[in-house]
Amino acid sequence: AQKITQTQPGMFVQEKEAVTLDCTYDTSDPSYGLFWYKQPSSGEMIFLIYQGSYDQQNATEGRYSLNFQKARKSANLVISASQLGDSAMYFCAMREDLLTTDSWGKFQFGAGTQVVVTP
Amino acid sequence: DGGITQSPKYLFRKEGQNVTLSCEQNLNHDAMYWYRQDPGQGLRLIYYSQIVNDFQKGDIAEGYSVSREKKESFPLTVTSAQKNPTAFYLCASSAGQGFGYSNQPQHFGDGTRLSIL
Repeated sequence: AQKITQTQPGMFVQEKEAVTLDCTYDTSDPSYGLFWYKQPSSGEMIFLIYQGSYDQQNATEGRYSLNFQKARKSANLVISASQLGDSAMYFCAMREDLLTTDSWGKFQFGAGTQVVVTP
Repeated sequence: DGGITQSPKYLFRKEGQNVTLSCEQNLNHDAMYWYRQDPGQGLRLIYYSQIVNDFQKGDIAEGYSVSREKKESFPLTVTSAQKNPTAFYLCASSAGQGFGYSNQPQHFGDGTRLSIL
């Protein structure tokens, strides 16, 4: 079963606007981490931001913030003041702590959202 | 600087040939991973290793093999049994291999693009 769902295959955003990328996840593990990665056209995967399942506050890193709604199992990435260099594929990922499932040690990735920032 | 080095950046394979992709990390990470990415698609897990001399199959292990003889190294061999090997291959590592490491992200190499001649 798909553990990470990103429902937006692609989106356009105008420069200087904010954009929200959706991510929902599925786990029965009370302890887990959620991550967002950026993949520009050159291919490298860049770690952006982390949210722990027990964190009380939403994570922020510069222009990136994570809108974490635990009850809804949602971890949306918000990019404020978009720049042309933000054009890339964005992946949501989860790592669970459970030792007894076949997911242990694995990262579950979503299908990604392609963001294109226009001038 | 600590990081993950993948080589070569581009690789071409002839029919019936095995090729090996190199992945080396100096982050002192226990866990290492190999992913395949097709154009416009997400990442698919090929193999992963939590500790030296141990590794597990991922979702698409058929036609691939790995070894983990050293903590720093996790080479991937694309065998002739893999009939459609053209893809972008990413190696990653992360700290920890037990409970309590769910806050540790994966760090990625720059990838290897493999094509069929």
